[in-house]
Amino acid sequence: AQSVAQPEDQVNVAEGNPLTVKCTYSVSGNPYLFWYVQYPNRGLQFLLKYITGDNLVKGSYGFEAEFNKSQTSFHLKKPSALVSDSALYFCAVSSLNTGNQFYFGTGTSLTVIP
Amino acid sequence: DAMVIQNPRYQVTQFGKPVTLSCSQTLNHNVMYWYQQKSSQAPKLLFHYYDKDFNNEADTPDNFQSRRPNTSFCFLDIRSPGLGDAAMYLCATSRHDGDTQYFGPGTRLTVL
Repeated sequence: AQSVAQPEDQVNVAEGNPLTVKCTYSVSGNPYLFWYVQYPNRGLQFLLKYITGDNLVKGSYGFEAEFNKSQTSFHLKKPSALVSDSALYFCAVSSLNTGNQFYFGTGTSLTVIP
Repeated sequence: DAMVIQNPRYQVTQFGKPVTLSCSQTLNHNVMYWYQQKSSQAPKLLFHYYDKDFNNEADTPDNFQSRRPNTSFCFLDIRSPGLGDAAMYLCATSRHDGDTQYFGPGTRLTVL
């Protein structure tokens, strides 16, 4: 079965500190991995994706994520958090073996404390 | 700017009164999706169209229907809204199946 786990419902980090939002996945075949951010009463905004190639992917707003095949993880990171990064973050996975359907994680609420 | 547009942003309807939500895109993408999202949960896929080919998720209630009259527009019809249908409805598009999905701002549906 295909699935995505975001083990932390809530992450708090002080402004200026590095942040990590965790994501692990289970999918048959090669995964396509995505991170989205959602601000209150807004749609999901695409941040970055991994399809193939370099395991470290850089995306919008200074975010990056590292694909780790052996640990089946795709954690989202940022070196220095901003208060404006406070939002809901979703990890998603798809693959050719799943008919390319997206499977979303349950989301992680990030709060950056001034 | 190319984008995904949803109207209205907020919709209030009465229990059992049909409602239609609309989505349009200027990205010229082949695939359009409708998701339901409740209170900060993960979006739940209701339907998607690859061009005119309609795909209904197995657990999407019969109360929900969709139309895609052309490449640019897609509609979500809720025939008899119940209190449990109150949610954020998100439209998304992608160039092909499995590609990055681009989301509209959503329509917040309230059922009285």
